[in-house]
Amino acid sequence: QKEVEQDPGPLSVPEGAIVSLNCTYSNSAFQYFMWYRQYSRKGPELLMYTYSSGNKEDGRFTAQVDKSSKYISLFIRDSQPSDSATYLCAMITNAGKSTFGDGTTLTVKP
Amino acid sequence: DTAVSQTPKYLVTQMGNDKSIKCEQNLGHDTMYWYKQDSKKFLKIMFSYNNKELIINETVPNRFSPKSPDKAHLNLHINSLELGDSAVYFCASSQEEGPRDTEAFFGQGTRLTVV
Repeated sequence: QKEVEQDPGPLSVPEGAIVSLNCTYSNSAFQYFMWYRQYSRKGPELLMYTYSSGNKEDGRFTAQVDKSSKYISLFIRDSQPSDSATYLCAMITNAGKSTFGDGTTLTVKP
Repeated sequence: DTAVSQTPKYLVTQMGNDKSIKCEQNLGHDTMYWYKQDSKKFLKIMFSYNNKELIINETVPNRFSPKSPDKAHLNLHINSLELGDSAVYFCASSQEEGPRDTEAFFGQGTRLTVV
C-alpha cells in the first residue's frame, strides 16, 4: 500500500465548475501538506502549503486538511481553462521525508 | 519496476568535495528535471531537460551542472560542496506530448548532507 494515495483522474469539467482534488495517506508522521500544479513541459510549482488541520484559502483555491481522517483536499472554485494541469499532493514528515501523490490531471473545458 | 530512480538515496560528504547524483527514468519520457527541497520543505526547480537539451535553468550556482547523456538519464554534478547545499534533491520526468503530458513522476529523492 502506498503511503499517499491520490485520486487518479483524469478529471474533465466545464468552465466555472467547482473542482475537488483529494489525497489520503497512511503515515501519521506527515506534518506538512502541499499541493503542486504542473503545466505541460513545466516542473511542478507550489500552489498551497498547510501545516495543521483546517482550511486555507488563497483566491479561488482552498486547501483542506483533516489529520484525524488522514485526508487532504484541494478545491478550485470557478475553474478556468488555465487551471488545466496536473495537481500533485505532497506530504512531508518533520524528519524531512517527502512523499508525493501520483497526480491528478485536470482539464477545464471552455 | 521503478519509474524514476535516483542514486544514491543518502549522501554525506565533506565541504569542498565534488559529488554526483544519478537519475534514470524508464518511462520513455522526453523531459527530466532536478528539484531541490530546502529546509522549509518547498520544492524548487533547478533544471529541466527536454530530449537532452536544457530548457529551464533557474538561478543556481554554477557549481551545479546537469548532464544528460541520453533522454533517459539526467545526472547532477555538484562541485565544491558547501554547507548550504544540504537538502533533498529530487529528479523527475514527464512526457512532452500526449494525454498524460502534464504528469510528473518523481524519484524518491537524494538526501545530501554536507558536513
